[in-house]
Amino acid sequence: AQTVTQSQPEMSVQEAETVTLSCTYDTSESDYYLFWYKQPPSRQMILVIRQEAYKQQNATENRFSVNFQKAAKSFSLKISDSQLGDAAMYFCAYRNYMEYGNKLVFGAGTILRVKS
Amino acid sequence: EAQVTQNPRYLITVTGKKLTVTCSQNMNHEYMSWYRQDPGLGLRQIYYSMNVEATDKGDVPEGYKVSRKEKRNFPLILESPSPNQTSLYFCASSLRTTGLAGDEQYFGPGTRLTVT
Repeated sequence: AQTVTQSQPEMSVQEAETVTLSCTYDTSESDYYLFWYKQPPSRQMILVIRQEAYKQQNATENRFSVNFQKAAKSFSLKISDSQLGDAAMYFCAYRNYMEYGNKLVFGAGTILRVKS
Repeated sequence: EAQVTQNPRYLITVTGKKLTVTCSQNMNHEYMSWYRQDPGLGLRQIYYSMNVEATDKGDVPEGYKVSRKEKRNFPLILESPSPNQTSLYFCASSLRTTGLAGDEQYFGPGTRLTVT
């Protein structure tokens, strides 16, 4: 079964607006890490934000924030004041050492388009 | 500059012609890994290495080999490439193998491989 699900293959947002990308995951573990990676056209994988499951506070990095709902196994990424440079593929990823060692388990990705 | 390098960045080859994609990191990382990225599937782990002379299969190891003779290098070998190995390949490394929060995975720039 798919462990990490990104249900939105593509999303669009107007410049300066806010967009939320969805991610759900499946696990029976209580201690794990969740990540959002950005992949621009250069194909480089860039870590955007990280959430540790035992921390209740949602992670924030400048214009990027997450809504982590542990009971619902949901981990959405909110991008505020969207910029043209935010256009990219975004991957949600999960890591749990007990289940998978150091491996990152990725979702299928969401393409974000930013309109000017 | 701390980085993971991969070579070549682009490669077009024919079925059955052995090839090697090199990966090198200059951060003295213990853990190294190869992923392949395919549309609709995200990134999937091919092989990983916990340290020198310690390698193991990931989720999609068929048709690939790896070696870890030196800590900094982790080449990916395709002995007899086939068209279904056409993909985008990423090498990644992290400092330790404990899966702790500080063990960020650093990704190389990717290698686009086409097998005809």
